[in-house]
Amino acid sequence: DQQVKQNSPSLSVQEGRISILNCDYTNSMFDYFLWYKKYPAEGPTFLISISSIKDKNEDGRFTVFLNKSAKHLSLHIVPSQPGDSAVYFCAASAGHRDDKIIFGKGTRLHILP
Amino acid sequence: GAVVSQHPSWVICKSGTSVKIECRSLDFQATTMFWYRQFPKQSLMLMATSNEGSKATYEQGVEKDKFLINHASLTLSTLTVTSAHPEDSSFYICSASLKYGANYGYTFGSGTRLTVV
Repeated sequence: DQQVKQNSPSLSVQEGRISILNCDYTNSMFDYFLWYKKYPAEGPTFLISISSIKDKNEDGRFTVFLNKSAKHLSLHIVPSQPGDSAVYFCAASAGHRDDKIIFGKGTRLHILP
Repeated sequence: GAVVSQHPSWVICKSGTSVKIECRSLDFQATTMFWYRQFPKQSLMLMATSNEGSKATYEQGVEKDKFLINHASLTLSTLTVTSAHPEDSSFYICSASLKYGANYGYTFGSGTRLTVV
């Protein structure tokens, strides 16, 4: 049973445009969500997080939106840059900082020149 | 920023031998660390939660006798793959949770590529 779902395995976006990566979750106990960027053979790099008490969190070019009723969140990257090409993982936890986080399968983002 | 150091970055071993992977929090204390493995083009699958001074909590389907986890100090957790077989070949990653302001996040090590021949 996949608790965190990223249904798009890959996404191609023109440089300068907006990249939107989507994530759905099924576990209603999740109340903390994170996005990570990962290159091959490296550990994930934290991008941005959001608590369930918010519906939006912004950090530079990255914005995460959370729709609790739909159990859906999305990561917006604008403007997209070539260095953004990577695999993006959505992750969720049940809130306690020492609780485990569960990852989605990832979405490979290609930024086209 | 908080750094988690993972060593070695890659290792090749023969079938039947054991391999130890270390995960260290360099500038903070981590009471809890997590171990993940990733198969090619797959997600990061949580294997176990490592708690300092107590037994690790393993996820369903993960053999605790095969993947020995020791968290002897607040800055070090180790994963030992015992009697390794080719199917254990994978990318293993550790992480530690830390708090910053009102939020918290998870810092990851750089991963270990294990190849069993």
